[in-house]
Amino acid sequence: DTAVSQTPKYLVTQMGNDKSIKCEQNLGHDTMYWYKQDSKKFLKIMFSYNNKELIINETVPNRFSPKSPDKAHLNLHINSLELGDSAVYFCASSLSGTGFLEQFFGPGTRLTVL
Amino acid sequence: GEDVEQSLFLSVREGDSSVINCTYTDSSSTYLYWYKQEPGAGLQLLTYIFSNMDMKQDQRLTVLLNKKDKHLSLRIADTQTGDSAIYFCAERGTGGYNKLIFGAGTRLAVHP
Repeated sequence: DTAVSQTPKYLVTQMGNDKSIKCEQNLGHDTMYWYKQDSKKFLKIMFSYNNKELIINETVPNRFSPKSPDKAHLNLHINSLELGDSAVYFCASSLSGTGFLEQFFGPGTRLTVL
Repeated sequence: GEDVEQSLFLSVREGDSSVINCTYTDSSSTYLYWYKQEPGAGLQLLTYIFSNMDMKQDQRLTVLLNKKDKHLSLRIADTQTGDSAIYFCAERGTGGYNKLIFGAGTRLAVHP
């Protein structure tokens, strides 16, 4: 039933580790996104993929590497985790094209770096 | 550049109307959105307005758009405790992709 799902929901890890967050959507959308929400609730886009092709790549450290094995999945791998990476990461998906395109958000993954 | 600003907090009494305000900078934005985030949850689209409209009403929600001043507002009539959440204003950025630029969010607290 879940439209956009993310795993894990919570992730606690030490500085310097490498971790991945997975996202899947069953809405038949062709575009997926990663957003970061910091402790002040500010929400900013990081990446977007359309049909497995990277189309939005904001100013994000290259320790962050998104991967889209197919249209329904977008994973986020983070190398050498830092304290400042602690945040809630949201995945979203939508159709592409012109006109109104609603983005559907996942429940978020709360990453805590110790 | 693209920037969206909102006031951070709003406290209202149950049954009153809430008005959440937002300003944006990109005059070429085609769509403007209001998203709601309840504690511990993801964002849920509440409503949106196309840039050639001045007003949109959807049950208890009224969106007003002033393109000249680049000002967007969300009015919630008869505010209930279940409306307590963070409300995000967002504009669809330019560049041909469905890139959303979010404001910092307004935390709405509804008290009896």
